[in-house]
Amino acid sequence: QVQLQESGPGLVKPSQTLSLTCTVSGGSISSGHYFWSWIRQPAGKGLEWIGRISSSGSTIYNPSLNSRLSISIDTLKNQFSLELTSVTAADTAMYYCAREVMLAVYSSSSGVGSAPDYWGQGTLVTVSS
Amino acid sequence: QSALTQPASVSGSPGQSITISCTGTSSDVGSYNYVSWYQQHPGKAPKVMIYEVSNRPSGVSHRFSGSKSGNTASLTISGLQADDEADYYCGSFTSSNTPWVFGTGTKVTVL
Repeated sequence: QVQLQESGPGLVKPSQTLSLTCTVSGGSISSGHYFWSWIRQPAGKGLEWIGRISSSGSTIYNPSLNSRLSISIDTLKNQFSLELTSVTAADTAMYYCAREVMLAVYSSSSGVGSAPDYWGQGTLVTVSS
Repeated sequence: QSALTQPASVSGSPGQSITISCTGTSSDVGSYNYVSWYQQHPGKAPKVMIYEVSNRPSGVSHRFSGSKSGNTASLTISGLQADDEADYYCGSFTSSNTPWVFGTGTKVTVL
């Protein structure tokens, strides 16, 4: 069974860059059937889809974060990563990495559909000086 | 892309059935059979309970069922148990500028 594990600093200063890595085990990140995504959840609030990357490196980002966000993939290490620049207190949240299964649907706006199925346990990131 | 709308809270007694609604638009729930439901216990990661409107992953209890009518999807939990007390989120494929959107979340309380 696939497992995902987030890692990275739990505290980031305002205006700096938040960097997280997700390590995938129990399956290859190079599988063409899946996308790999990041989802966040501020304390006591709902889930926000951040973005995803394919095994070939194709990305889709949430437009609300698009200018600050970068997601990359390292197939040799079976990892994918998130970088969010110029963070503020509003970026404080639990960050989850997830596997997204490819769906048989396509949108001209966002490409092939995908749905999160397996999630990491999450890592709490606090933005504070 | 706005979040799908769920009731903030739903409650029921042990053994009863409850239903959680998830209302979207013709750009998501209304046009596609790609709705998932997630259960999240406090301090834990979400776990998929239903996918593609009404399918249960292996290992998920038959007490959980999903359906859809128009722009609204629903999750029904029958034979409510104490361990069902959690937050529940729906999610759907959307043809807008992100491929996936979550619901606002519903807190289920077992009385």
